[in-house]
Amino acid sequence: AQKVTQAQTEISVVEKEDVTLDCVYETRDTTYYLFWYKQPPSGELVFLIRRNSFDEQNEISGRYSWNFQKSTSSFNFTITASQVVDSAVYFCALSEAGTNAGKSTFGDGTTLTVKP
Amino acid sequence: KAGVTQTPRYLIKTRGQQVTLSCSPISGHRSVSWYQQTPGQGLQFLFEYFSETQRNKGNFPGRFSGRQFSNSRSEMNVSTLELGDSALYLCASSLGLALSTDTQYFGPGTRLTVL
Repeated sequence: AQKVTQAQTEISVVEKEDVTLDCVYETRDTTYYLFWYKQPPSGELVFLIRRNSFDEQNEISGRYSWNFQKSTSSFNFTITASQVVDSAVYFCALSEAGTNAGKSTFGDGTTLTVKP
Repeated sequence: KAGVTQTPRYLIKTRGQQVTLSCSPISGHRSVSWYQQTPGQGLQFLFEYFSETQRNKGNFPGRFSGRQFSNSRSEMNVSTLELGDSALYLCASSLGLALSTDTQYFGPGTRLTVL
């Protein structure tokens, strides 16, 4: 069975601080996909990034960066110079490959509050 | 390209009633997945439909059912509603072709309140 753990339930930072959201996953599959989603108060899950298990290259997109480490089964997300608009719940998710890709397992989410 | 749409956005029902939620996927997407989000259980997978067939199923009772039409639109039905069914129901669409680049895109959700 797959499992995603986001140990940080809530994080509060002051604007312009850097913040890292942790994600640890468990799976027996050799090929799998990892995702990060942002859920603002409106409720819609906004896709941020997808990472395939066979691609351990880290990625940077503006103020966002992701660190994927297969050796520790972690897929951490860092926001640099946080802004108030970053306040939201962030979810890490894991899915199998192939025809099971439509069935994702989500972590419990981390609520990030960025104060001005 | 239009995103995933869900109707209605809000719904209030009473125990014992049934409810039908609708999801229209992104144009060209053939897979629709449904998730239930509650404060206690988090985001849980309900089922996935691909080309009008249920392809994956989560651990929910038979009161939860769904279907998909030839235009890929999907409906989810919950019969004999219970208080615990109060939740945000999210729909996600993807190509569903088992490609390594495929990604689920979510709709705004339907918030169901059972009184």
